Amino acid sequence: DAGVIQSPRHEVTEMGQEVTLRCKPISGHDYLFWYRQTMMRGLELLIYFNNNVPIDDSGMPEDRFSAKMPNASFSTLKIQPSEPRDSAVYFCASSSQGGRRFEEQYFGPGTRLTVT
Amino acid sequence: SQKIEQNSEALNIQEGKTATLTCNYTNYSPAYLQWYRQDPGRGPVFLLLIRENEKEKRKERLKVTFDTTLKQSLFHITASQPADSATYLCALEGLYGGSQGNLIFGKGTKLSVKP
Repeated sequence: DAGVIQSPRHEVTEMGQEVTLRCKPISGHDYLFWYRQTMMRGLELLIYFNNNVPIDDSGMPEDRFSAKMPNASFSTLKIQPSEPRDSAVYFCASSSQGGRRFEEQYFGPGTRLTVT
Repeated sequence: SQKIEQNSEALNIQEGKTATLTCNYTNYSPAYLQWYRQDPGRGPVFLLLIRENEKEKRKERLKVTFDTTLKQSLFHITASQPADSATYLCALEGLYGGSQGNLIFGKGTKLSVKP
């Protein structure tokens, strides 16, 4: 398996522009997580899905952020409009839990977002 | 709310020595705890999981302990090597949704092993 795939790997955009980050989880995994990592706040959970359904989005910082999972093999995280404080590395992770609680998460390589 | 602290931002040790990293948590009693390794420019990679009823778990040169009374986990790397240099993150089962098994991460400890 190729692992979790994220695109783009780097994104530089101007303030006010729309940004869309993409993720393809590992085939067969039923959980998908979106995280944001900064030096100040570390790795923060933004939202996670189970079987394509959002379970908790309380980590999403503002209404400017939205995430979708239209099918089991694809998810997007959208920021509109983007702001300089959104600059961070965004990770997607997936896991296969099937009702169990103790499974590890597999992370993608991340998307480094810079908003100028 | 849950709070996780990895009480060293950075740890420098000599090759061959044992590295010990600490993870403390408050306001919660997680059923399990995980440790991840993160190299620069990459996503975290899972290393070990330990359950609340396990005191210790080993994997090759790695050892993890879990003290639910002290609310603390220790992560040891024995016979450390320069290739062990990385940031190590501890993660606890989150409170979201109860049994869904999402994780809350500490900020990590950056380990540097000098030859």
